[in-house]
Amino acid sequence: IMLTQSPATLSVTPGESISLSCRASQSISTNLHWYQQKPNESPRVLIKYASQSISGIPSRFSGSGSGTDFTLNINRVEPEDFSVYYCQQSNSWPLTFGSGTKLEIK
Amino acid sequence: QVQLKESGPGLVQPSQTLSLTCTVAGFSLTSYNVHWVRQPPGKGLEWMGVIWNTGGTRYNSALKSRLSISKDTSKSQVFLKMNSLQTEDTATYYCARDSGWGDYFDYWGQGVMVTVSS
Repeated sequence: IMLTQSPATLSVTPGESISLSCRASQSISTNLHWYQQKPNESPRVLIKYASQSISGIPSRFSGSGSGTDFTLNINRVEPEDFSVYYCQQSNSWPLTFGSGTKLEIK
Repeated sequence: QVQLKESGPGLVQPSQTLSLTCTVAGFSLTSYNVHWVRQPPGKGLEWMGVIWNTGGTRYNSALKSRLSISKDTSKSQVFLKMNSLQTEDTATYYCARDSGWGDYFDYWGQGVMVTVSS
């Protein structure tokens, strides 16, 4: 299953609210998870199963979607949020990741 | 405290075999599954394979012929071996634990950078 993330890069000002997109090549129900990766760090899971929160992750991160279209929302971007975001599907093997969206400071 | 840590050579010659170890703490390999994921410099993430808590394995078909994952539960270690390395195998290699259902990765190691070069 291919996951297409858009945009590839998003330039925003701290305090803005944003949405990142992940589209699957076929229906994956809600078997979609989101990660954040900062430079020279390992990825960290933000959202599981499309919309379920993860303990310890700030509430400004939320997810939605099902089937083939998914969205990661960040309400009022903080300076520490500028990084790369990946989606990952667990509906079928092999597990696959999207190509990522880089969130950068405008 | 859950921890995973990869170790292995930083440099491997083309056509040689890569051997990496993931040493875990804070959980048992008989209860959780451990995956290997790699990331070429400046690129995205690629799932390589998993060893289940039961000891079974599943591999990415793109790598299956070259890849082997095993574990020593008593030592809390998971092993990756991949043969016939080429320059395109240059990447940071991560081991990661899944939540228990082969779904998402809740803990990751720090990663180990492997360069394939003569």
